[in-house]
Amino acid sequence: DAKTTQPNSMESNEEEPVHLPCNHSTISGTDYIHWYRQLPSQGPEYVIHGLTSNVNNRMASLAIAEDRKSSTLILHRATLRDAAVYYCILHWGNNAGNMLTFGGGTRLMVKP
Amino acid sequence: NAGVTQTPKFQVLKTGQSMTLQCAQDMNHNSMYWYRQDPGMGLRLIYYSASEGTTDKGEVPNGYNVSRLNKREFSLRLESAAPSQTSVYFCASSDRLGAFFGQGTRLTVV
Repeated sequence: DAKTTQPNSMESNEEEPVHLPCNHSTISGTDYIHWYRQLPSQGPEYVIHGLTSNVNNRMASLAIAEDRKSSTLILHRATLRDAAVYYCILHWGNNAGNMLTFGGGTRLMVKP
Repeated sequence: NAGVTQTPKFQVLKTGQSMTLQCAQDMNHNSMYWYRQDPGMGLRLIYYSASEGTTDKGEVPNGYNVSRLNKREFSLRLESAAPSQTSVYFCASSDRLGAFFGQGTRLTVV
């Protein structure tokens, strides 16, 4: 499985935008870029995913580099409830599914 | 929609006891997964099933067995529990649009 690299932790002030980076230099042409987050004492939850184009949904935006070797999850206005561990994962590189392995993720701390 | 349902939510076992963690999904997903998460750590893949009838080892399969009973259900069995298996266990299912997780089973082996 292709691997991803994320910073261990980041801090943000409440109400400010947050840009969470992810490097995936070994991404294959058919890998989707997925982001999940895990709130304290909960299971991970889906945030957003993309293949080549930038994506927006109600939770966040995903900016994908033109060469697809990196991506950035954007939270437009961080709230205290966004404090969580954010995971960037490459998924569904082949039609049979793949292992869906999680790295260490980025722990986002939001200051009031 | 129930999504992914895991049972039980909590369990305490004595060393050497066996148990089966149950997982069911109602989203018609082909792929299902079992993870463990130790305190302060990330998720580690134990086993996965890319489709009904197939199972494969993940990163930490030792001490566990799985059964993909049908498309909906994927169970995880501990044959002889050890204190090192104390952890929170998550089941998940996925398709191209994303993966969905259960609420977890908190297992303590004493």
